[in-house]
Formats: sequence, C-alpha cells, structure tokens
Amino acid sequence: QVQLQESGPGLVKPSQTLSLTCTVSGGSISSGGYYWSWIRQHPGKGLEWIGYIYYSGSTYYNPSLKSRVTISVDTSKNQFSLKLSSVTAADTAVYYCARVDTAIMGFDYWGQGTLVTVSS
Amino acid sequence: QSALTQPASVSGSPGQSITISCTGTSSDVGSYNLVSWYQQHPGKAPKLMIYEVSKRPSGVSNRFSGSKSGNTASLTISGLQAEDEADYYCCSYAGSPWVFGGGTKLTVL
Repeated sequence: QVQLQESGPGLVKPSQTLSLTCTVSGGSISSGGYYWSWIRQHPGKGLEWIGYIYYSGSTYYNPSLKSRVTISVDTSKNQFSLKLSSVTAADTAVYYCARVDTAIMGFDYWGQGTLVTVSS
Repeated sequence: QSALTQPASVSGSPGQSITISCTGTSSDVGSYNLVSWYQQHPGKAPKLMIYEVSKRPSGVSNRFSGSKSGNTASLTISGLQAEDEADYYCCSYAGSPWVFGGGTKLTVL
C-alpha cells in the first residue's frame, strides 16, 4: 500500500520561501508511470493543482503559480519537494502531496495534508 | 484555466439518489474522457471515487457512478447513506494539465 507523508514548517513569514517534502513509502518514486504532485486547499475552499514531477526530473507547473514554484525529486530518499517563493497570506492553505497514475490521469493516493500559515 | 462549476450544495434522504453536476468547457471536460471525482470528509484528504468519467477504483462502492455529456460531467450516488455526507470535487485533465471544480457539499438529511 502506497503511503505519502508531507513534512515541513507550519508557519512561514511573508516574502519568504515555503518548503515542503513528501516522503513516499510502499512504492518507489523511480518506478515509471506516475506523476508526483502537489495540490493545495485554501481554508474552506476548493482544490488547486500546483504542479508535478516525474522521477526523471521533468516538471509541469500550474501557469498561475509557475513563476514562484519549484518541484524537485530525490529518488535516493524516495522523496519529492515543493518550494514556493515570495509567499503572502494568500498562500495560507493545506498542502497535499499526491500520486497521479498516468494510466488513468487521476490522483489515486494522497498524503494527509499539512497546514501552512503565512504570517509574520 | 478557470475552475469547473459545481453546485455549492446538494442534499438527499437516506436511500435516495442524488446527482452532482460539473460543468467545464470544450477545452477540458469536453475534450478529454479524463474526469475524476473525489470525496473529502472534514479534516481528511480527498479520496478518488471515479476516474475516466465512469470507472470506479477497487474498493469504491457501486453506488457511485459517473457520466459525461458534452462539457458537463455528473456524479450520481444511489442508495444514499449517512457516511456519504462529505464534500465532492470533480477534476478534469485539461492539458495544462488539471483543473478542479469548486466542490459540492452533500448533506444526508
């Protein structure tokens, strides 16, 4: 059973960089056929796809966030990471990591989510 | 890419059926048979309920079904149960690539 777990600071100051890591267990990031994604949910709001990375390192980002987002992968640790720069209060959200099975193009496994608050 | 349009809320009594609509455009829902639906209980992560418009992952009840016509996808839940009370989100691969709906709160009366 694949499991994903987010980790990182729960509080980030405005203008700084938000950094989160997703640790994958029960499966290898290096096995092809999956995109490793980040999705966020503003408090009381809907879901917003942020971007994904393939094990090879190729990435694709939401155009609305592209200028501030970097997703990277560390296959040796079976982890992938999110960096979001120049954060504001509007970036306060629950951040989820999730796996996309490219055979179905759906998000089949999710982490539990982690709340990141942007505040001074 | 604009969010897909869902009703804010729907409700039904136990045993009844309800349908949640998800309206997109010819660039997303209308172009791809890659609509998925997610169930989210309060404080929990979303769970995949339907993929590729109408297919169910292993373990998902056959009370959940999906369909699509033109730019609108639909999720139908039959034989409503108290445990179905949750938020439901549609999602479409859109080439840019994914866009979600705003979510629908299902209340089981």
